Amino acid sequence: QKEVEQDPGPLSVPEGAIVSLNCTYSNSAFQYFMWYRQYSRKGPELLMYTYSSGNKEDGRFTAQVDKSSKYISLFIRDSQPSDSATYLCAMSSDTSGSRLTFGEGTQLTVNP
Amino acid sequence: NAGVMQNPRHLVRRRGQEARLRCSPMKGHSHVYWYRQLPEEGLKFMVYLQKENIIDESGMPKERFSAEFPKEGPSILRIQQVVRGDSAAYFCASSPIGTGASGANVLTFGAGSRLTVL
Repeated sequence: QKEVEQDPGPLSVPEGAIVSLNCTYSNSAFQYFMWYRQYSRKGPELLMYTYSSGNKEDGRFTAQVDKSSKYISLFIRDSQPSDSATYLCAMSSDTSGSRLTFGEGTQLTVNP
Repeated sequence: NAGVMQNPRHLVRRRGQEARLRCSPMKGHSHVYWYRQLPEEGLKFMVYLQKENIIDESGMPKERFSAEFPKEGPSILRIQQVVRGDSAAYFCASSPIGTGASGANVLTFGAGSRLTVL
């Protein structure tokens, strides 16, 4: 069983839709949770970072962490074609964040 | 700020040859990390280095792979006697000195080096 499970998709939505991306994990030591966005042939770029449980909002993006269920989510409101990318969840158990464990990534396409 | 620079962006090697991938961290960053992304798989941690020190190499294959981050110059990931299974995208990331519990130590990734082994 993988430490982090993420549905690879692909996920296709119309422009303006609300997108929900999710990951589950098995390691209860994870405390730091991140979402990265990766465009084709590019490196991952950090979108959201949360520590422990709770919600965090940044513009059209909201990250949620439920440690009791070992479940994290990323919501994208008013999705745009420019949001089309692969979204990777990542998590870490130590404060330095040096060793991140990534999900497989979900490929998202937002159709105009 | 040029960000994390990786080169070459694309590298083709025949089986048995050596591959050398280079990474220059962001200005002011002293920590370097290497991750590998195989087709249809997520990023996998390989190694974490500071200048002249390997901090965590628990993700490195036991043979043929090595990494260094010298006092001067870029970090280098070296793969000896490459095999087809080494074909992947290799990403380097860097971060500033760890902030510990006071905040996030965010990794900034480079664009990656794509290795193809024929």
